[in-house]
Amino acid sequence: NAGVTQTPKFRILKIGQSMTLQCTQDMNHNYMYWYRQDPGMGLKLIYYSVGAGITDKGEVPNGYNVSRSTTEDFPLRLELAAPSQTSVYFCASNRHVGADTQYFGPGTRLTVL
Amino acid sequence: AQTVTQSQPEMSVQEAETVTLSCTYDTSENNYYLFWYKQPPSRQMILVIRQEAYKQQNATENRFSVNFQKAAKSFSLKISDSQLGDTAMYFCASNSGTYKYIFGTGTRLKVLA
Repeated sequence: NAGVTQTPKFRILKIGQSMTLQCTQDMNHNYMYWYRQDPGMGLKLIYYSVGAGITDKGEVPNGYNVSRSTTEDFPLRLELAAPSQTSVYFCASNRHVGADTQYFGPGTRLTVL
Repeated sequence: AQTVTQSQPEMSVQEAETVTLSCTYDTSENNYYLFWYKQPPSRQMILVIRQEAYKQQNATENRFSVNFQKAAKSFSLKISDSQLGDTAMYFCASNSGTYKYIFGTGTRLKVLA
């Protein structure tokens, strides 16, 4: 199992550009998440999904969009990038909630200049 | 609302010594789960240990153990025989059986040779 994979690992964007962060898991997990991690802070939830075709907003969804057309993939779209979106982005997944372990991808470091 | 608080931004410990990282949480739920995650410099988050709130016995995983004080809403992590590879950011997290995982702001641990 590759687990949770994310691409790219690093990216620099100019203000106003758009991009998609890719996330794939091969563990047949129902739940998938996108978090952002700012320096000195914990993880903040951007969007989550409880299964293919079902997505919902987390704490900080503004400026982002997601889709979940398959169980495996959960891409995060940034439209009109802003400096406030400079952060490290993590994708995570788990089969069930509660005691289930969340498996994390390696993260994407995004800088918006 | 659920909250998780880690009041120690940074700690250091000598190799082979024992260190305890603190975490307090707040929840109105009766059934919940608590976790410690490790984030090494590589950024990949991995689960260290978890505790189900209904279990009175403290969880243990090799050199890692927790001190779960339910009445005090405290969930500290003890690392025994610290190793250089334990150098990382440690996050405390909680889940009450829904999609939502709440993370603390992290404690940066440095193990000194």
